[in-house]
Order: sequence, then C-alpha cells, then structure tokens
Amino acid sequence: GQQLNQSPQSMFIQEGEDVSMNCTSSSIFNTWLWYKQDPGEGPVLLIALYKAGELTSNGRLTAQFGITRKDSFLNISASIPSDVGIYFCAGRPRAGGTSYGKLTFGQGTILTVHP
Amino acid sequence: DGGITQSPKYLFRKEGQNVTLSCEQNLNHDAMYWYRQDPGQGLRLIYYSQIVNDFQKGDIAEGYSVSREKKESFPLTVTSAQKNPTAFYLCASEWKGASGANVLTFGAGSRLTVL
Repeated sequence: GQQLNQSPQSMFIQEGEDVSMNCTSSSIFNTWLWYKQDPGEGPVLLIALYKAGELTSNGRLTAQFGITRKDSFLNISASIPSDVGIYFCAGRPRAGGTSYGKLTFGQGTILTVHP
Repeated sequence: DGGITQSPKYLFRKEGQNVTLSCEQNLNHDAMYWYRQDPGQGLRLIYYSQIVNDFQKGDIAEGYSVSREKKESFPLTVTSAQKNPTAFYLCASEWKGASGANVLTFGAGSRLTVL
C-alpha cells in the first residue's frame, strides 16, 4: 500500500518556540490533511489541502501542499502548552473512480511543550 | 450537537471472548470507517462502509467483523480470532470539505484491553 513518512517522530520544545514537521510520499496525492490527537481522544482535523502549492493558515498553524504533490509540511508558531499531542498527516492518493477510499496516515509526530 | 459517539470508552475482555464496539453518527454521512491505533504507529484501516448494507475490508480486517444495517450505525466486533486485540479503536465518518474533497471526522475512541 501507500507509504507516508512523517518526521520527526517526536519533538521536545520550549513554550514560545516554532515547530515544523513534514510528510513525504512515494506517490502523488490529491489531498493532504493534518490532524491533531489529544491523549485518549480521537484526531481532530486542523487543516485540509487540496491543490499543489496551496498554503493555508489556521491561527498559529500553517500547512502547505508541496509542488511535487508528494509532500506537505505543518508549522506551528509560538507554541503553547496546549499544543501538546500527536500530529498526523494523512493523504489521499490520486486514483480513478470514486473519491471514497482510503486515506493513508503518517506515523505521527509526538509534540511535547515545556512551559 | 452533531458528532460521532463511540462506546464503551474502555473495555476489558478475557481471551477467547468476542466484543462489540459501538459507533453512532448523527452527521448524515454516508461513509464510515474503523481504524486501529497502536503506540508509535499510524492509523490502520480495519473496515469501511460507503453505504448501508455494504462494507469492504481494509488493510487489517482479519479477526474483525462489521455490519451496516443503518446509516447512523457501524458496529465493530473484535472476535476471538484476532490474535492481538489490545489497542485503541477509532471510528470515523466522511464528509466533503470546502473544495469537495472528502475528509474524515473521528469519534473519541474505544480502548480495548485483553486480560
């Protein structure tokens, strides 16, 4: 199946620092999604990207859909303690037929923010 | 409020027993999904259903079964054939994002522990 490489696997930062994480794929994707998961909860959608080169912001979060359609990054500016959690990228590959089907998820980036 | 409800939140099971995890949504979404999450891994797809009375196997369907008798409900049964059932299980449903591409909305998850 599709493979997504998400890095880094974990990050330990001080409050106020900026954070960057990325995902790369061996295949072309039509959609990139970024989710955040709090401990013991389900993932919540942060940003959805649909076009190559698209740059989208949501508060302190910024994500981009890579020009090659094989990568995406997520930046968090001025981190705060509530940013703690697991961040997942997810991509939907370009394919024929119905757009229903399987998102592929990265392995997640565990973010720890020290006050 | 509209959303996805998973129950129970925590479940303990003895080896050899079947258990059923409930997933109910009032979002009027057509497609529903079950994922399994293990520490340090991304989300792995167990089963998905695009419409009532139809479902397809995901990447790790062995030892699991589902039904989709109603649009709102997509229960997952973890059978005794599942060799390593201890995990966090996530149910999701699918909606179209702003640009028409589908994104997943997740429930809060169910943690199954086999004793």
